[in-house]
Amino acid sequence: SQELEQSPQSLIVQEGKNLTINCTSSKTLYGLYWYKQKYGEGLIFLMMLQKGGEEKSHEKITAKLDEKKQQSSLHITASQPSHAGIYLCGAKQGGTSYGKLTFGQGTILTVHP
Amino acid sequence: DAGVTQSPTHLIKTRGQQVTLRCSPKSGHDTVSWYQQALGQGPQFIFQYYEEEERQRGNFPDRFSGHQFPNYSSELNVNALLLGDSALYLCASSLGQSNQPQHFGDGTRLSIL
Repeated sequence: SQELEQSPQSLIVQEGKNLTINCTSSKTLYGLYWYKQKYGEGLIFLMMLQKGGEEKSHEKITAKLDEKKQQSSLHITASQPSHAGIYLCGAKQGGTSYGKLTFGQGTILTVHP
Repeated sequence: DAGVTQSPTHLIKTRGQQVTLRCSPKSGHDTVSWYQQALGQGPQFIFQYYEEEERQRGNFPDRFSGHQFPNYSSELNVNALLLGDSALYLCASSLGQSNQPQHFGDGTRLSIL
């Protein structure tokens, strides 16, 4: 079965600093989804990547899927306290259009004002 | 446009009891997936319902069962509760045959005493 490993497990940055979170898969990624979660709450969808080399941005967050489609990165520019939370990457197995998402263990981001 | 709604938000049960959690999908979605999230972990897939049938199942015992109704809403039932069943239970909805992202509710926090 597919496994996703996120690094780092936790990150503490000063407001205004840039940061990167990585998600590495044990198998080829056919769809990579980034979510953000506030402690004890639901997941908020951020971005979806499907093609190798694809890059998407929303406000100050950029996500990339590498050419070999086994790793994705999430980059936050000029971090703000509102960026704090748990970032999760999720992936679908195989090439099916439906089905379960397998998640990484999450990266806890703390942003100090 | 209502998103995914789950009820109840919190629940306290004792070992051996049974519990039913409910989920209403986002408008326009026909597929419901259930996940269990233990503290400090990523969500773990329980099962997915489409057209009122269980389409895919994760590695959870038969104590975990579900149902989907004609209006696409869903229930998760857990019998013979164990202490280890304490977790955040998340419902996600999506459009059945597409790669579009799953949208999550805020979850039900289940505590077993």
